Amino acid sequence: AQTVTQSQPEMSVQEAETVTLSCTYDTSESDYYLFWYKQPPSRQMILVIRQEAYKQQNATENRFSVNFQKAAKSFSLKISDSQLGDAAMYFCALSQGGSEKLVFGKGTKLTVNP
Amino acid sequence: EAGVAQSPRYKIIEKRQSVAFWCNPISGHATLYWYQQILGQGPKLLIQFQNNGVVDDSQLPKDRFSAERLKGVDSTLKIQPAKLEDSAVYLCASSLLAGGFNEQFFGPGTRLTVL
Repeated sequence: AQTVTQSQPEMSVQEAETVTLSCTYDTSESDYYLFWYKQPPSRQMILVIRQEAYKQQNATENRFSVNFQKAAKSFSLKISDSQLGDAAMYFCALSQGGSEKLVFGKGTKLTVNP
Repeated sequence: EAGVAQSPRYKIIEKRQSVAFWCNPISGHATLYWYQQILGQGPKLLIQFQNNGVVDDSQLPKDRFSAERLKGVDSTLKIQPAKLEDSAVYLCASSLLAGGFNEQFFGPGTRLTVL
């Protein structure tokens, strides 16, 4: 069975600073994909960034980047130059190859302080 | 491009009553998902449709939950009878193609409160 663990229920960061959200996962498959989704207070979940497990290069999307450590089964999200609009719940998710079924962690609530 | 639409946004019912939620996915998206998100937890997949066929309903409590996707477009999720533990946000999502790397687009959700 695949599992996703987010060990930080809440995190806070000062505006313009950098913050890293942690995620570990477990899967027996070699073909899988990892995602970070953001859920603002309005509840609409949006994709932040995704990573294919077979790619060694860490994915980046503007101010968002990941640190993918395959051997350690770790997939952390780094947010640089944090903005007030980054405040939200962040969910790490795993999808095994061949299936779109997403398994989510419990989420990390990020607060951005002005 | 219009996003995933869901209605109603909020619903309050008594236990043992029935309730239905509606979802209209992004036009052209073949895959549709229903998730249950209990407060303080991540979403849990209830059912996945590919066009109008069920791909995965392994976590759907079939004694009380049912879902359909007629004509491979919009979908309804029904709970009958509701229990207190069904209080949650029900999220609908859609994606263009099958395959694990495809982005899922989520609707705003329906917040259900069972009293």
